Amino acid sequence: SQKIEQNSEALNIQEGKTATLTCNYTNYSPAYLQWYRQDPGRGPVFLLLIRENEKEKRKERLKVTFDTTLKQSLFHITASQPADSATYLCKTGANNLFFGTGTRLTVIP
Amino acid sequence: EPEVTQTPSHQVTQMGQEVILRCVPISNHLYFYWYRQILGQKVEFLVSFYNNEISEKSEIFDDQFSVERPDGSNFTLKIRSTKLEDSAMYFCASSEDRAANEKLFFGSGTQLSVL
Repeated sequence: SQKIEQNSEALNIQEGKTATLTCNYTNYSPAYLQWYRQDPGRGPVFLLLIRENEKEKRKERLKVTFDTTLKQSLFHITASQPADSATYLCKTGANNLFFGTGTRLTVIP
Repeated sequence: EPEVTQTPSHQVTQMGQEVILRCVPISNHLYFYWYRQILGQKVEFLVSFYNNEISEKSEIFDDQFSVERPDGSNFTLKIRSTKLEDSAMYFCASSEDRAANEKLFFGSGTQLSVL
């Protein structure tokens, strides 16, 4: 069955450093992969989408890569700030309905 | 900016009771979804809805669950006989289209507590 995994439940980094989060998927080949941010007690908020034929996508301090050979997407936040602290979710699936387990990022001042 | 609204924000019910969670999707959106998140766990897909019928549903969405669009604006999730394990945050979402690249807009959720 389709499986989406985010390799870390939690990631702590120092302010100003680059945070890198990983999303791995198995048993299917999605055409798209999305990243969302979720703050405590709130619904997920869309951040970025990357297509299978795109190697990289950027938006301000965010960068997403998509490696269909490794079946993996990396999500980077450069020059991280305490306000970036949240849970980050990847979302994909044959019907693009399923979320990964999420990685809780804490940026330490 | 248009947003998805959900009511109530908190719902407490006794085991075995029926609950209805309500959502008002963004007005020009055509696809509607329910997700749930048990405390500390992942966001889980329940059901998607288009053109007044269920498009897809997960294994979680069993006969105890139903969805309805009773009028032009509301989208509801009914749990017929709640169980303790139904306690979770329930999120409604909507999207303009069904394409795999379509982003979802989520409401702030209804926290359901079954006692």
